[in-house]
Amino acid sequence: KQEVTQIPAALSVPEGENLVLNCSFTDSAIYNLQWFRQDPGKGLTSLLLIQSSQREQTSGRLNASLDKSSGRSTLYIAASQPGDSATYLCAVRADRGSTLGRLYFGRGTQLTVWP
Amino acid sequence: DVKVTQSSRYLVKRTGEKVFLECVQDMDHENMFWYRQDPGLGLRLIYFSYDVKMKEKGDIPEGYSVSREKKERFSLILESASTNQTSMYLCASGKYVDSLGNTIYFGEGSWLTVV
Repeated sequence: KQEVTQIPAALSVPEGENLVLNCSFTDSAIYNLQWFRQDPGKGLTSLLLIQSSQREQTSGRLNASLDKSSGRSTLYIAASQPGDSATYLCAVRADRGSTLGRLYFGRGTQLTVWP
Repeated sequence: DVKVTQSSRYLVKRTGEKVFLECVQDMDHENMFWYRQDPGLGLRLIYFSYDVKMKEKGDIPEGYSVSREKKERFSLILESASTNQTSMYLCASGKYVDSLGNTIYFGEGSWLTVV
């Protein structure tokens, strides 16, 4: 069964720092990987989607990379701001068998950016 | 913009009641999902629907059932609510896994309290 792990579980940084969130997965048979943001008490907002054939995706200050063969993805946040404070989750989408299309989530990294 | 709408944001129900949680998406997505989210346990998949009238059990289907009679609507049913079903419920939808633009979108969540 696919297992998704996110490290660290929590991170607290001062404003302006560049930071890296890590995601690893045990089964490389994925169709894509998606990073989400969740604010307290709210649903998940999609940040970036990387197809399995891609190496990275960028959106503004966010850059996500994918190394499918080693089962790793990183989310890089440049020049962090207090508004970036949230929980960040990664999810992989299965590409085969009875689990085709199913999403597997990590537990998330809770980020706090203080002024 | 894609919209996934969960009809009830906050509900309080009594033990033993039958509870319906409704989710509607407006983007003709084939796949729809129901998750519950609890502190320390992350997101856990309850049911997954590939397409209309199709469903697959997730990791924690016990005590729940689902209905997908129309493509845009995926309903989660708690046959006889119990206090251990107090949780936040999240609905999500997306295109079939090998489609272009297969980002997964989430609703805002439904907070259910069973007393």
